[in-house]
Amino acid sequence: DVKVTQSSRYLVKRTGEKVFLECVQDMDHENMFWYRQDPGLGLRLIYFSYDVKMKEKGDIPEGYSVSREKKERFSLILESASTNQTSMYLCASSLVGGYTFGSGTRLTVV
Amino acid sequence: RKEVEQDPGPFNVPEGATVAFNCTYSNSASQSFFWYRQDCRKEPKLLMSVYSSGNEDGRFTAQLNRASQYISLLIRDSKLSDSATYLCVVNNRDGSGYALNFGKGTSLLVTP
Repeated sequence: DVKVTQSSRYLVKRTGEKVFLECVQDMDHENMFWYRQDPGLGLRLIYFSYDVKMKEKGDIPEGYSVSREKKERFSLILESASTNQTSMYLCASSLVGGYTFGSGTRLTVV
Repeated sequence: RKEVEQDPGPFNVPEGATVAFNCTYSNSASQSFFWYRQDCRKEPKLLMSVYSSGNEDGRFTAQLNRASQYISLLIRDSKLSDSATYLCVVNNRDGSGYALNFGKGTSLLVTP
């Protein structure tokens, strides 16, 4: 089975901090994705990547950046955390078709 | 305009009931369709892919109507363990390859 691992399950950060969310997959998948999930809004795509050093903006990239230096690792960066970035962050990977998700990082910005 | 729309529910049904969820999508170029299941405070997990010919996996049947841009999921003989949120998912092939669009989900509660 594909395993997608997110480094933290729960995270609390202060407003203005730079925050790194890490995601690693072990199945050599080309495609990796970052979503956030909020009540009433569902899953929204932040950024995705089709290959090493490739990145594409999703629907809500503002306030975020990403890094994909190695195929297995896709990092989401909050340049200056704000309270409206408090959310559940989900990383996913895929070859074709359906995704496999990590277990999520619940980030609280105070 | 919302790309994937679902009735949010909640659907409250007794054990053993049959329940159907519906979903519509707006992008006629979409090629791949899925149903995901998400338990409370857990990540979404793939339940089944949806094919044009319709497909069945045990108690679950998925149907796709491309002309109407409509997807359905039927659950027969509901179990308590089926209680979850069901997400309708459609790929976005207009330039973003395999990025998937998720509906907001339909909540199901199966009661004894």
